[in-house]
Amino acid sequence: DAGITQSPRYKITETGRQVTLMCHQTWSHSYMFWYRQDLGHGLRLIYYSAAADITDKGEVPDGYVVSRSKTENFPLTLESATRSQTSVYFCASSGGELSNQPQHFGDGTRLSIL
Amino acid sequence: AQSVAQPEDQVNVAEGNPLTVKCTYSVSGNPYLFWYVQYPNRGLQFLLKYITGDNLVKGSYGFEAEFNKSQTSFHLKKPSALVSDSALYFCAVSGRYNFNKFYFGSGTKLNVKP
Repeated sequence: DAGITQSPRYKITETGRQVTLMCHQTWSHSYMFWYRQDLGHGLRLIYYSAAADITDKGEVPDGYVVSRSKTENFPLTLESATRSQTSVYFCASSGGELSNQPQHFGDGTRLSIL
Repeated sequence: AQSVAQPEDQVNVAEGNPLTVKCTYSVSGNPYLFWYVQYPNRGLQFLLKYITGDNLVKGSYGFEAEFNKSQTSFHLKKPSALVSDSALYFCAVSGRYNFNKFYFGSGTKLNVKP
């Protein structure tokens, strides 16, 4: 019962590099989400997806790109990493059509940009 | 602006005593309200939610939350704290039918001392 897995768990990279964070869920949930967690800010939504090939911006989308060619995968790409993108990134999924369904979270990717 | 606030960064309580973690929200209409818990180096885990109906909601691990519409609050409670309850707790609110309006509070660190 893997549920939702994120990879890598830890990543160090340099400014200007492209980095992709992976997210895979085994529940066939329709909705998937990417958040970043920063001290004092809680979690902020970066992007979300309602289904394969359907994505939309959240609260803080600048500097990030997402895709969803398959229901189970939702990668997040930083095309040119900046130090302000150092954070812990969480992927989540939800099976509900409405926003009253709980989200299920992966264990996060801790990303450091030097 | 729609938001959720957790006024206490940290709550300290002795084992066996009751605990309360506070949350207030500012969302138009009738929101959905959630509590999540986060243990170190892990993703958020769903505890409970309020959708409609009874103002006292029971969730996992003996936690409950009380919805108060007039005070726009959704405080998390537990009658008798355990040391193992020590973790980071997040309140979250969502508007109906709008995933991009799912807001998390900044989190409250609960310390339960033996």
